[in-house]
Amino acid sequence: SYELTQPPSVSVSPGQTASITCSGDKLGDKYSYWYQHKPGQSPVLVIYQDVKRPSGIPERFSGSNSGNTATLTISGTQAMDEADYYCQAWDSSLVVFGGGTKLTVL
Amino acid sequence: QVQLVQSGAEVKKPGASVKVSCKASGYTFSTYDINWVRQATGQGLEWMGWMNPLSGSTGYAQKFQGRVTMTRSTSINTAYMEVSRLTSEDTAVYYCARVSSGYHPNYYYYMDVWGKGTTVIVSS
Repeated sequence: SYELTQPPSVSVSPGQTASITCSGDKLGDKYSYWYQHKPGQSPVLVIYQDVKRPSGIPERFSGSNSGNTATLTISGTQAMDEADYYCQAWDSSLVVFGGGTKLTVL
Repeated sequence: QVQLVQSGAEVKKPGASVKVSCKASGYTFSTYDINWVRQATGQGLEWMGWMNPLSGSTGYAQKFQGRVTMTRSTSINTAYMEVSRLTSEDTAVYYCARVSSGYHPNYYYYMDVWGKGTTVIVSS
């Protein structure tokens, strides 16, 4: 079965750039998606189809996907961005989530 | 506005079943798949399966095949997810989510609207 691998944690200072990676076999041949999940809330889609931002998502969120790696980049990270982030792909008629990355802003 | 309203928290005994509902509003229910995702305490998001409200067809993650059933009632725009033979490992928050899918140019499939979640506790 298809697997997506994310680092368990990433730390960033406020105002700096955070990058979260998601690795999977030939992931660049599929679309990647990213969700932000804060405690006690529902997940929120922040990037879809590799690079697109849904309405209401700040411009500091961006995405890329090539080869075996998709990357979520948060520029000018703010304290409110502290959350768990999950990548997702679609493979063989099934949804696959990465294990999640805890982003700490300190 | 588009929203998914889920049923309330449940407490079940091991071996029992639970059925969670997800009522859609603000869009045409039959034109978007509904997916179910759960999160146990301290764990990541775990995808359970999908359901097409128009046809009723379903697809389940291998882990849940034979124990999870996804259904719908188009007359009341509601999706259901039932888990049988519950164990303590099924204690989690269960989310329903609307899916946007299609070709552009490759096939895309992602969850753009989420319910607030339903807590299911399995305890003797």
